[in-house]
Amino acid sequence: EVQLLESGGGLVQPGGSLRISCAASGFPFSNYGMSWVRQAPGKGLEWVSGFSGGRGGPYYAESVKGRFTISRDNSKNTLHLQMNSLRAADTAMYFCAKDRGEAVADWGSFDIWGQGTMVTVSS
Amino acid sequence: DIQMTQSPSTLSASVGDRISITCRASQSISTWVAWYQQKPGKVPKLLIYQASTLENGVPSRFSGSGSGTDFTLTISSLQPDDFATFYCQQHSSYPWTFGQGTKVEI
Repeated sequence: EVQLLESGGGLVQPGGSLRISCAASGFPFSNYGMSWVRQAPGKGLEWVSGFSGGRGGPYYAESVKGRFTISRDNSKNTLHLQMNSLRAADTAMYFCAKDRGEAVADWGSFDIWGQGTMVTVSS
Repeated sequence: DIQMTQSPSTLSASVGDRISITCRASQSISTWVAWYQQKPGKVPKLLIYQASTLENGVPSRFSGSGSGTDFTLTISSLQPDDFATFYCQQHSSYPWTFGQGTKVEI
């Protein structure tokens, strides 16, 4: 079974840092593009960062560029997001999401999502 | 960045209704559009990719159409399980972007 399991969320003060992770299983992780998508409480979906299925990237949304760093460890089937200089506006559920397939046509559409990890930025 | 504008923001409908949700891209994106359904407290579910291809296991009452800048998600006969929020998303160029969502309510 294909699974994504996020961890590492929590409460952090403005200006602080946090690293969240996503453990993947059930598919050849290194072959797939992966992304982080967030959702603030009661709001819509916002793509944050990701790696392309063609091993390109990383790529970032403008709102996090220079503050967040995405990385992947293909030997451990794990995706990470290092978040620095956190702001109240970064408060959200962070989902890890997998590209639908290895083909170019599947890059960037997400067929499997983790349950999410909540990040709260507050003093 | 490519902006995705959905309409309407909220749609009130009844079981059995045929409904359509539209999504307009700020520039041409060919057919690089996906549609998702999200229920409260749940993760998004992929319904349609490449504008019109139904994801495995998704009921055939869902359909997608469009190319270029204008896209539509249609539910042919609304079922009780379909009341949720729907999002379009472009995957033509980075950064990927979502529409603001359409809540379908009774």
